[in-house]
Amino acid sequence: KQEVTQIPAALSVPEGENLVLNCSFTDSAIYNLQWFRQDPGKGLTSLLLIQSSQREQTSGRLNASLDKSSGRSTLYIAASQPGDSATYLCAVRVAGGSYIPTFGRGTSLIVHP
Amino acid sequence: AAGVIQSPRHLIKEKRETATLKCYPIPRHDTVYWYQQGPGQDPQFLISFYEKMQSDKGSIPDRFSAQQFSDYHSELNMSSLELGDSALYFCASSLGLTSYNEQFFGPGTRLTVL
Repeated sequence: KQEVTQIPAALSVPEGENLVLNCSFTDSAIYNLQWFRQDPGKGLTSLLLIQSSQREQTSGRLNASLDKSSGRSTLYIAASQPGDSATYLCAVRVAGGSYIPTFGRGTSLIVHP
Repeated sequence: AAGVIQSPRHLIKEKRETATLKCYPIPRHDTVYWYQQGPGQDPQFLISFYEKMQSDKGSIPDRFSAQQFSDYHSELNMSSLELGDSALYFCASSLGLTSYNEQFFGPGTRLTVL
């Protein structure tokens, strides 16, 4: 059974710092991995989707990398801003198996001015 | 661009009451998924539908049922509500059933059971 772990569980940083959020998964035979942002009590906003054949995806200040062999993905946030404060979740889909994604519990990020 | 719509956004019910949550997928999307997210928890898959037929089933209690209608909207019916059912309920939609097809999530319905 796929297990997804996100470290750290919580992070508080001053504005302007570059951040790295980690996601690890136990079954490396994944189809794709997706990073989401969730504001308190709100829905999930898709940030980046990385297919298994890709190594990274970039969108603005966000860069996500994928290393299937080691079962890891990182989300890099450059020049963090208070508006980046949210919970970031990663979800993976296993190749050839159920198309239902397995989520991590997320990293709660606070960027203070 | 149109997104997934969920209604109501907030719902307060008493124990043992029933609740119905609605999900309207992105136009042309034929697949709907329901998730439950408890406080501080990751989203847990409940059930999904493809072309109006149940396609997969997760940790959905027997007290809950769901269906997808001819216009592809879906309803999650919850009966004999318990305190532990208080959670954020997400609906997601996709075009097609395979892992390749990205799921798009709605804003969620916050259910509080008193």
